[in-house]
Amino acid sequence: GENVEQHPSTLSVQEGDSAVIKCTYSDSASNYFPWYKQELGKRPQLIIDIRSNVGEKKDQRIAVTLNKTAKHFSLHITETQPEDSAVYFCAANSGAGSYQLTFGKGTKLSVIP
Amino acid sequence: DAGVIQSPRHEVTEMGQEVTLRCKPISGHNSLFWYRQTMMRGLELLIYFNNNVPIDDSGMPEDRFSAKMPNASFSTLKIQPSEPRDSAVYFCASSGQGVEKLFFGSGTQLSVL
Repeated sequence: GENVEQHPSTLSVQEGDSAVIKCTYSDSASNYFPWYKQELGKRPQLIIDIRSNVGEKKDQRIAVTLNKTAKHFSLHITETQPEDSAVYFCAANSGAGSYQLTFGKGTKLSVIP
Repeated sequence: DAGVIQSPRHEVTEMGQEVTLRCKPISGHNSLFWYRQTMMRGLELLIYFNNNVPIDDSGMPEDRFSAKMPNASFSTLKIQPSEPRDSAVYFCASSGQGVEKLFFGSGTQLSVL
């Protein structure tokens, strides 16, 4: 099955700096890669996703890049703000069209004012 | 739309008791997922329904766990008998696009004493 590795597990940045979280996946047939943000005690919320036919996608201060050859994808947050502090999870589906989402272990991002 | 609605938010029970978690998916969504979240194992898929039919329950840990979806607007996850190792946050999620664009409920924090 799919295996998703995520790093770092914790990340601290100064407000205004950029944050980068990286994930690797094992199943070359995976074609859908979402990122979820989970604030303490809250539900995971989808913040951005990318399909394998696209190399990069942006939405305001967040962007995701995908390298299919290397089987890794990254989340980039620019101009970080205190409200960006949360746990971020990457995920990949287990093969094209699969309903199985395998999640990474999460990255706890702390933005220091 | 009120989003995915789960109840109860918190459940404290004693070992051996029956526990029933409830979920109302977003209207119009035909895919429903039950996930379990723990610090050790992260987010794990327990079962997936499509059009009210269980498609894959291979993630259900044991026969003590069962799930039903009698109609498009309601699903239950039952644990009987409950054990302390079942303590976790249980999330229900729904989607109108299979595994894409998952919307999570607020979760049920289950504590089995």
